[in-house]
Amino acid sequence: DAKTTQPNSMESNEEEPVHLPCNHSTISGTDYIHWYRQLPSQGPEYVIHGLTSNVNNRMASLAIAEDRKSSTLILHRATLRDAAVYYCILRLNNNDMRFGAGTRLTVKP
Amino acid sequence: EAGVAQSPRYKIIEKRQSVAFWCNPISGHATLYWYQQILGQGPKLLIQFQNNGVVDDSQLPKDRFSAERLKGVDSTLKIQPAKLEDSAVYLCASSLSEGPYEQYFGPGTRLTVT
Repeated sequence: DAKTTQPNSMESNEEEPVHLPCNHSTISGTDYIHWYRQLPSQGPEYVIHGLTSNVNNRMASLAIAEDRKSSTLILHRATLRDAAVYYCILRLNNNDMRFGAGTRLTVKP
Repeated sequence: EAGVAQSPRYKIIEKRQSVAFWCNPISGHATLYWYQQILGQGPKLLIQFQNNGVVDDSQLPKDRFSAERLKGVDSTLKIQPAKLEDSAVYLCASSLSEGPYEQYFGPGTRLTVT
């Protein structure tokens, strides 16, 4: 299985940008990079995904390295509601999704 | 649009008892997943259905766990008999179809086995 490596935890101040890194040095050409987050006592929710190019949506931006061996999820202005565990996941076309331990983001007021 | 529904939200049972969880996916979603999430870990896929057929059950402990999705809509996950290590949150998710589509998760069922 293609694996990802993320820091166990990160802290941010409210209304400041947050950059959550993910290493995936064994990524293959057909693996999509997906990010999900899980708020306390809730199921995971989709954040963003990409293949090669950087992606933006209303929740976040995804910056993918040129060699695709790493990516960064960017929250442009963190709010208290963004405190969650963020999972970086590599997915093949067959829908296989394997979660790691993720990064626990703490947002300080 | 209604989300993924799960029941019950909480369940406490003694070891060796049986338990069943129910999931109703988002209308029109062909693919349904059951995950197990042990405290402090990410969710682990137990089984994936495409309509009413099993696509992947390689991580399902088949000696005690079973799941079905008879009419390609609702699904049930059963544990019989339960062990202490089955204490976890059981999450149901659905997606439009197979492929790298967004998965929508339900709130989960927290199971405590004593």
